[in-house]
Amino acid sequence: GENVEQHPSTLSVQEGDSAVIKCTYSDSASNYFPWYKQELGKGPQLIIDIRSNVGEKKDQRIAVTLNKTAKHFSLHITETQPEDSAVYFCAATFGWAGSYQLTFGKGTKLSVIP
Amino acid sequence: NAGVTQTPKFQVLKTGQSMTLQCAQDMNHNSMYWYRQDPGMGLRLIYYSASEGTTDKGEVPNGYNVSRLNKREFSLRLESAAPSQTSVYFCASSEIRDRKAFFGQGTRLTVV
Repeated sequence: GENVEQHPSTLSVQEGDSAVIKCTYSDSASNYFPWYKQELGKGPQLIIDIRSNVGEKKDQRIAVTLNKTAKHFSLHITETQPEDSAVYFCAATFGWAGSYQLTFGKGTKLSVIP
Repeated sequence: NAGVTQTPKFQVLKTGQSMTLQCAQDMNHNSMYWYRQDPGMGLRLIYYSASEGTTDKGEVPNGYNVSRLNKREFSLRLESAAPSQTSVYFCASSEIRDRKAFFGQGTRLTVV
């Protein structure tokens, strides 16, 4: 099955700086890579995703890049704000046409220092 | 829209007790999932249901059973709870075509 490694496990940045979280995956058949943000006491919330036919996707201050050859993808948050503080999870899908199972990384706790 | 609704939000069980975690979605999604989240372990798939009438094991199915009651509802049952099942449980749903998964708020379960 799929294995997803996520680094770093914790990340502290000053408000206004950029944050980068990196993930690698093992199954070359994986073709969908979402990122989730989880605030304390809440469920994961999808913030951005990328499919394997695209190398980069941006949504305001958030961007995701994908390198299929190296089997890694990254989340970039620019101009960080205190409300960006949360745990972020990357994921990759494998499966068949009937269902797509997400395999998650272990998470990165991001702290944005005002 | 409520999205994905889980009940209860908190539960304490004694070892050996049974209980059912309920999940309902109002997004007309075909696929539904149960995950558990443990500190430092990320989210691990317990069971999933690709569509109404089908269920399959995920990564960590031992000690659990599921029922896809209808298209909206997917329940998770612990027949004989063990302390190792202390965790936060999340239900999710997705549509096959775009694969975006939406999660509920979670059930925090403690087995003593």
